[in-house]
Amino acid sequence: QVNLVESGGGVVQPGRSLRLSCTASGFTFTSFDLHWVRQAPGKGLEWVSFVSSDRGHEKYADSVKGRFTISRDNSMNTLYLQMNSLRPEDTAVYYCAKSGMGRFGVPRPYFDWWGQGTLVTVSS
Amino acid sequence: DIVLTQSPGTLSLSPGERATLSCRASQTVSSSYLAWYQQIPGQAPRFLIYGASNRASGIPDRFSGSGSGTDFTLTISRLEPEDFAVYYCQQYGSSPITFGQGTRLEIK
Repeated sequence: QVNLVESGGGVVQPGRSLRLSCTASGFTFTSFDLHWVRQAPGKGLEWVSFVSSDRGHEKYADSVKGRFTISRDNSMNTLYLQMNSLRPEDTAVYYCAKSGMGRFGVPRPYFDWWGQGTLVTVSS
Repeated sequence: DIVLTQSPGTLSLSPGERATLSCRASQTVSSSYLAWYQQIPGQAPRFLIYGASNRASGIPDRFSGSGSGTDFTLTISRLEPEDFAVYYCQQYGSSPITFGQGTRLEIK
């Protein structure tokens, strides 16, 4: 059974930093791309960032580019999101999500498993 | 960016009825790379459909997806009490990945 557990959320002042973690189990961690998706209170889902299975590729939403950094430790089955220069509009539940797999083992960025989320509140 | 517009915003139906949810894209979704998710308030999203019409593992067959190009539909054939939730579509054919704003399915 796939399990994704996020941690590291909390209350932080604008301009400060926070690092989120997501510990994975129940699948071959090194074979799958991983993503962060966030949801502001009462709002819809917003894709944030992606890292490829081999850590060779990363992408970011324009709203976080230059401030957030995604990384993964394949020896620890853990995904990270380093969030710098936080803004009030970054307040959200942050989910880590496992990417799907298409034919012939090609990764497809739909999200077949999600963690329970961790709440980040940016407020003075 | 591809903008996904879901309609209606809220759908009020009774258990046993049929639900039809729409997702319209501002541009063609490449290779029908469209997914659907269900979210019960306070919970993480649940994966339902990929490739516009393929049910995820363990998803009941009352859920079905259809469509191509710019128009996609999620149909729930006979609503069960546990189906009342918010539903999101997502396109993954073009970067950046984008979601629709959601349709709330509520009990009438």
